[in-house]
Amino acid sequence: GAVVSQHPSWVICKSGTSVKIECRSLDFQATTMFWYRQFPKQSLMLMATSNEGSKATYEQGVEKDKFLINHASLTLSTLTVTSAHPEDSSFYICSARAGTDTEAFFGQGTRLTVV
Amino acid sequence: GQNIDQPTEMTATEGAIVQINCTYQTSGFNGLFWYQQHAGEAPTFLSYNVLDGLEEKGRFSSFLSRSKGYSYLLLKELQMKDSASYLCAVMDSNYQLIWGAGTKLIIKP
Repeated sequence: GAVVSQHPSWVICKSGTSVKIECRSLDFQATTMFWYRQFPKQSLMLMATSNEGSKATYEQGVEKDKFLINHASLTLSTLTVTSAHPEDSSFYICSARAGTDTEAFFGQGTRLTVV
Repeated sequence: GQNIDQPTEMTATEGAIVQINCTYQTSGFNGLFWYQQHAGEAPTFLSYNVLDGLEEKGRFSSFLSRSKGYSYLLLKELQMKDSASYLCAVMDSNYQLIWGAGTKLIIKP
């Protein structure tokens, strides 16, 4: 299957700082990328959907000013967690798909710990 | 509203067969996906069904009945490494994925 690379795999940051997570589709053009958050022993929670060249669509309850998403090219989307707090500690996962009717491929995930 | 239901947890024995069910109610239907997720890792794709019937892929098979809003994932010859969560997801009329909460499968020797 197609490869989606997410970086970093894990990050520890101090409270109040910002963290950027990258999601790259390595061998296909991703028209749509999804960002999920997953707390321990819970299911995936969709945070936002981003289409290349347009603003991301955020799910209800997700602060768009806190979780900045940029999808500047067909192979790269970034999620920036601004002014991170301990409650933002979670597993963040991106997925990407080439078209509307194709499967989504997942990145490896990023474990964020805010101390 | 849109809803995906699957059991929270199942237990099976190594070497046996297990069937994980998924029922859904969504705004439109453009396919159903099954993903496997090991603890601490991202999900990996297992299967995709858009037409009624059974799709077989090695030890894993997936079945779909669109009229019943029902799918199952069948795992044969269970191995310890199959212990994971299995996520059912439906693509709705807007081509958005609606996710189930996942079924945690525990394999016992």
